[in-house]
Amino acid sequence: QKEVEQNSGPLSVPEGAIASLNCTYSDRGSQSFFWYRQYSGKSPELIMFIYSNGDKEDGRFTAQLNKASQYVSLLIRDSQPSDSATYLCAVKEMNTGFQKLVFGTGTRLLVSP
Amino acid sequence: GAGVSQSPSNKVTEKGKDVELRCDPISGHTALYWYRQSLGQGLEFLIYFQGNSAPDKSGLPSDRFSAERTGGSVSTLTIQRTQQEDSAVYLCASSLIQGDYEQYFGPGTRLTVT
Repeated sequence: QKEVEQNSGPLSVPEGAIASLNCTYSDRGSQSFFWYRQYSGKSPELIMFIYSNGDKEDGRFTAQLNKASQYVSLLIRDSQPSDSATYLCAVKEMNTGFQKLVFGTGTRLLVSP
Repeated sequence: GAGVSQSPSNKVTEKGKDVELRCDPISGHTALYWYRQSLGQGLEFLIYFQGNSAPDKSGLPSDRFSAERTGGSVSTLTIQRTQQEDSAVYLCASSLIQGDYEQYFGPGTRLTVT
């Protein structure tokens, strides 16, 4: 079983700060990486995906991928209390004829007003 | 458009009973996935369907678990002789095709086995 590791947190940041969420993965062959946000009691929702090394920006969110280090991160600029949630990192694991998402256990983010 | 729907939203059952959980994917999505999320845990992959076929059943925790999909649309996950350790939120997701396309999750079914 390939693994995806995340610090469970909680990560506490003040409103307006940058939140940095990190994820490492064990499958060197992985090609696709996803960040999902999950509010308490709700289902995960996709917020970012990244396939290539480097940075990908979407509004206040930036995903960063370093395949050599097997490391993917999510930066949230100008954090808002509404960003408080659990952020799940997911990696598409490559199996013959099938690709499945392997999820980390998530990092809980708390943004204080 | 309509998202992934699941029913029931909550299910309380006695140990030893069978339960059926239903998932209705986004229209046109050919790939469908079942996950389980226990309290404070990450998502555990159970099974996926491409069309009506389930090429990989290795994630099913035991032979008490089975799933089917009919007409390339609705899927049911059946748990026979439920045990307390089966208590979890069961999430269904769908994607356009089985490949590099994002998965969209339903609201989940919270199963409690007493």
